[in-house]
Amino acid sequence: AQSVTQLDSQVPVFEEAPVELRCNYSSSVSVYLFWYVQYPNQGLQLLLKYLSGSTLVKGINGFEAEFNKSQTSFHLRKPSVHISDTAEYFCAVSGGDKIIFGKGTRLHILP
Amino acid sequence: EAEVAQSPRYKITEKSQAVAFWCDPISGHATLYWYRQILGQGPELLVQFQDESVVDDSQLPKDRFSAERLKGVDSTLKIQPAELGDSAMYLCASSLTTGGSYEQYFGPGTRLTVT
Repeated sequence: AQSVTQLDSQVPVFEEAPVELRCNYSSSVSVYLFWYVQYPNQGLQLLLKYLSGSTLVKGINGFEAEFNKSQTSFHLRKPSVHISDTAEYFCAVSGGDKIIFGKGTRLHILP
Repeated sequence: EAEVAQSPRYKITEKSQAVAFWCDPISGHATLYWYRQILGQGPELLVQFQDESVVDDSQLPKDRFSAERLKGVDSTLKIQPAELGDSAMYLCASSLTTGGSYEQYFGPGTRLTVT
C-alpha cells in the first residue's frame, strides 16, 4: 500500500519569493507521483507528474518538482511566487492502480 | 478544451433526505472516479468505474451511498438518507483508462451541505 505525507498544512510566503512545498511518500513498489493544485471552489488541476526518467520534472505555471528515491520525497518548488498562486496544493502517489492524495498544503502569498 | 461536467455545483439538503449528483466525463474517457473531499483534507476515492463496471467501491458506504454508470458514459452518485457528516465536496474525475500513470481530469465539484 502507498501513503503520502505533506509536512506543512500551511505555508506563508512573500510575493516574488521562492517557495518549497514538501511531500514524502511510502511504498513497497515503484511509484508514480503527482502534484495537483486546487483553487477555491474548484476541482483539482494537474501541475506535474513523475512517471519515470529524469528526476527533475517541470510543470505548468513555473512549478517544478524533484523525485528523490533515497529520501522518498517529491518536493514542489517555484523560484518566484505570484499572488495568483494562492491555492491548495496536493501531492499524490500511485503504485499503479488508484491514486492516494495527501491532506494538502495551503499556500498563502503575502503582499 | 474538453472538461468534466458536474451538477449541481451547490446543494443544501436536510438530514434524512435523498440527494443525487451527476457527472459527465470527458468524451472517450473509459474510467470515471467519484471522490469525497472533506474540508481541509485531500480527496478520498469513493468509487471507480471502468466503462460501466465498478472497479473499486471499497470505501463507498454502501448502506446509504450508491453509484451507477449505466451506459458507460455519465454517472450518478446518490446518498439516501443524507447525514450531517456527509457535508463535503464531491468531486468527479475521468481518465482515458484505468491505471495510476494516467492523468485524472477533475470536474468543479458539488459542495453538499447537510443541515
